[in-house]
Amino acid sequence: SYVLTQPPSVSVAPGKTARITCGGNNIGSKSVHWYQQKPGQAPVLVIYYDSDRPSGIPERFSGSNSGNTATLTISRVEAGDEADYYCQVWDSSSPLVVFGGGTKLTVL
Amino acid sequence: EVQLVESGGGLVQPGGSLRLSCAASGFTFSSYSMNWVRQAPGKGLEWVSYISSSSSTIYYADSVKGRFTISRDNAKNSLYLQMNSLRAEDTAVYYCAKTTVTNLDYWGQGTLVTVSS
Repeated sequence: SYVLTQPPSVSVAPGKTARITCGGNNIGSKSVHWYQQKPGQAPVLVIYYDSDRPSGIPERFSGSNSGNTATLTISRVEAGDEADYYCQVWDSSSPLVVFGGGTKLTVL
Repeated sequence: EVQLVESGGGLVQPGGSLRLSCAASGFTFSSYSMNWVRQAPGKGLEWVSYISSSSSTIYYADSVKGRFTISRDNAKNSLYLQMNSLRAEDTAVYYCAKTTVTNLDYWGQGTLVTVSS
């Protein structure tokens, strides 16, 4: 089965740039989606198809995907960005939907 | 506005059964595939099951195959998850999620299932 690897935690100061990686074998050939989950809330889609933003998601959120690593970049980080972030791909074999283990973003 | 509202969670003994429901509104339910995703306390997201818009295609995670059954009623705009032979490791918040091609673009608030004696 396909495995996605994320760092457990990332810390960043307010106003700086946070980068959260998602590693997978030749992940660049897949479409990667990113979700933000704040404590006690349901996940929210923040990036789809590697780099597209749903309506209502700030331009500060961006994504890229190449080779064996996809990256979620959050520019000008705010306190409200503190959350868990999950990457996800769609795999043709089981499991169909694969999530990374999640990364806790801490705003210092 | 897309809304997904799960219900049916609760406390159940090991080996017991529960049926979760997800009421959908704000979009043409019959046109979209749906998923169930769960999250154990303090853990990450785990995909559980997928059903296509017409129910013609269904998939399950290995961890629930043979015990859980996903279904939908497009006339009632509802998604279901029948869970049998429940185990302690099935304890989690269960989310239903609308699917657009390969991403889960809307999620419900979740319903908590606790399997304990």
